[in-house]
Amino acid sequence: DSGVTQTPKHLITATGQRVTLRCSPRSGDLSVYWYQQSLDQGLQFLIQYYNGEERAKGNILERFSAQQFPDLHSELNLSSLELGDSALYFCASSAAGTGNINSPLHFGNGTRLTVT
Amino acid sequence: DQQVKQNSPSLSVQEGRISILNCDYTNSMFDYFLWYKKYPAEGPTFLISISSIKDKNEDGRFTVFLNKSAKHLSLHIVPSQPGDSAVYFCAAKRDSNSGYALNFGKGTSLLVTP
Repeated sequence: DSGVTQTPKHLITATGQRVTLRCSPRSGDLSVYWYQQSLDQGLQFLIQYYNGEERAKGNILERFSAQQFPDLHSELNLSSLELGDSALYFCASSAAGTGNINSPLHFGNGTRLTVT
Repeated sequence: DQQVKQNSPSLSVQEGRISILNCDYTNSMFDYFLWYKKYPAEGPTFLISISSIKDKNEDGRFTVFLNKSAKHLSLHIVPSQPGDSAVYFCAAKRDSNSGYALNFGKGTSLLVTP
């Protein structure tokens, strides 16, 4: 058990809809990261938050947004969903905000999103 | 633009033998490399890492080798055990104060047969 909790585990929705994925980091971790794993792709970095503020941005679409709340949990909002958004969405956390080699990422079990 | 490539989607090895998983990267700015292991229905878990200033790092049955000139790294598992059957992801990061964004490969599925 990594200590990172993601809800829901599965989500099925229709095109054009909006969904929210939730992540609770490990106790004490200040950074939260979101990754997307599509069928034919590796894990793609979307965005990182550190202690409530956006720290780094990757290949995140404009239809997607995220935030980290004062209690350090994070939400990833996906809107105007398309079939191609179907993927596994992973949240990870780490203690540090920067590339601290002694603070590896700990991943949750992911949310599987299916857009029909 | 896939900067980290794992060209073998799958690998099958007999129990007790050596498993060698390979990874190539294109970005010479990467300074830190990691391997993650993933079981079905679980998230990736950190396995072993290596800094670009080293060429080898060993942790029990797992050893990672880095060849910077070839932009290549490999993970050796000796001896391989059935419980090692999983998908292995190679990842790399740049030295940056802006975050810990890892670039992942697409993974290699390892099957260790009894």
